[in-house]
Amino acid sequence: DADVTQTPRNRITKTGKRIMLECSQTKGHDRMYWYRQDPGLGLRLIYYSFDVKDINKGEISDGYSVSRQAQAKFSLSLESAIPNQTALYFCATSDRGVWHTQYFGPGTRLTVL
Amino acid sequence: GIQVEQSPPDLILQEGANSTLRCNFSDSVNNLQWFHQNPWGQLINLFYIPSGTKQNGRLSATTVATERYSLLYISSSQTTDSGVYFCAVSGGSYIPTFGRGTSLIVHP
Repeated sequence: DADVTQTPRNRITKTGKRIMLECSQTKGHDRMYWYRQDPGLGLRLIYYSFDVKDINKGEISDGYSVSRQAQAKFSLSLESAIPNQTALYFCATSDRGVWHTQYFGPGTRLTVL
Repeated sequence: GIQVEQSPPDLILQEGANSTLRCNFSDSVNNLQWFHQNPWGQLINLFYIPSGTKQNGRLSATTVATERYSLLYISSSQTTDSGVYFCAVSGGSYIPTFGRGTSLIVHP
């Protein structure tokens, strides 16, 4: 969905490096989410934000941090990347709660060597 | 936490065939969704269905919460239905638990 964009789309980095994944949306939604998908598995929620001043931990927040710079922007940071953070990362938005329709970005494939 | 099992893990169909995908969960849920991930990785919500039955075109879903399962029906399958179908549930929190998915391949 072009309304939700993620940058970069692919990233290879080394262990110990700090990396930021960015998400932008033009849907005007207040609620934004970061998920992680490992091969052969479903998604796991990392962080979610219901507005600019509201940020909450999800199922697997350890090793990650987020920043909600504006209604339209939600960034995910890996402070010191490690190989088991190699995964596909998705950003999503919704105009209601996480249990209502979410619109996903195209994903960022991150490889940590 | 709630355990989610999806079956079958893999499904191969000829175009035009019908199929049923199942999602079993281990505890009471207040929330349940079905998602489709296409072969290029794009994720799309299909249904929010904590109970009852919904239909959207060739797809329909039924959740029997008291028996802890949900079914996704695909009728007259098309090649564009290929991908992975995920079920996600929660007992009332904002944090979903996803199943491992059913991988569907529809041959022309």
